[in-house]
Amino acid sequence: QKEVEQNSGPLSVPEGAIASLNCTYSDRGSQSFFWYRQYSGKSPELIMFIYSNGDKEDGRFTAQLNKASQYVSLLIRDSQPSDSATYLCAVSLGDMRFGAGTRLTVKP
Amino acid sequence: EADIYQTPRYLVIGTGKKITLECSQTMGHDKMYWYQQDPGMELHLIHYSYGVNSTEKGDLSSESTVSRIRTEHFPLTLESARPSHTSQYLCASGIHGEQYFGPGTRLTVT
Repeated sequence: QKEVEQNSGPLSVPEGAIASLNCTYSDRGSQSFFWYRQYSGKSPELIMFIYSNGDKEDGRFTAQLNKASQYVSLLIRDSQPSDSATYLCAVSLGDMRFGAGTRLTVKP
Repeated sequence: EADIYQTPRYLVIGTGKKITLECSQTMGHDKMYWYQQDPGMELHLIHYSYGVNSTEKGDLSSESTVSRIRTEHFPLTLESARPSHTSQYLCASGIHGEQYFGPGTRLTVT
């Protein structure tokens, strides 16, 4: 079992819809959780982090963490074509472990 | 936004050559990392450092070395380049768990 698992996609949503990206992790001791956005040919860019159970909102983005279920998600409201990218989930317990990423396409 | 720089941005080199990929950051971050990423594929950790004179191997480190003599500088060296080393190399730095990535070096070994 991989340490951080994501559905590879592609996930396709229409413009203006909510995109929901999911991630599960295997190590119950994980303490910090991150979402990165990576445009094709570019480096990953940190967009959200969450440390505590519950929701954390930043603009159109909401990160959700459920440590009991070892599950972290990212919701993107009012999705825009510019949100089309690969989204990487990362989990930290000392070392950072990245998921393989979910490719999101937002169609105009 | 972190200021982290990588040089060269693109490199084409012949098999057997020794190469050093440079990474520098101006944020004073203690933690620095090297990753390898093929197009459309996941990140693989090569090496990391939690401070000066501290280096550790990641999952994919056997054919490269790093040094951390100064906080801001974390170069990666391939002693003998092979075609299998053709990839994108990403450097990152951070203080706590978060990591900020440089623009990457795209390496092609012919």
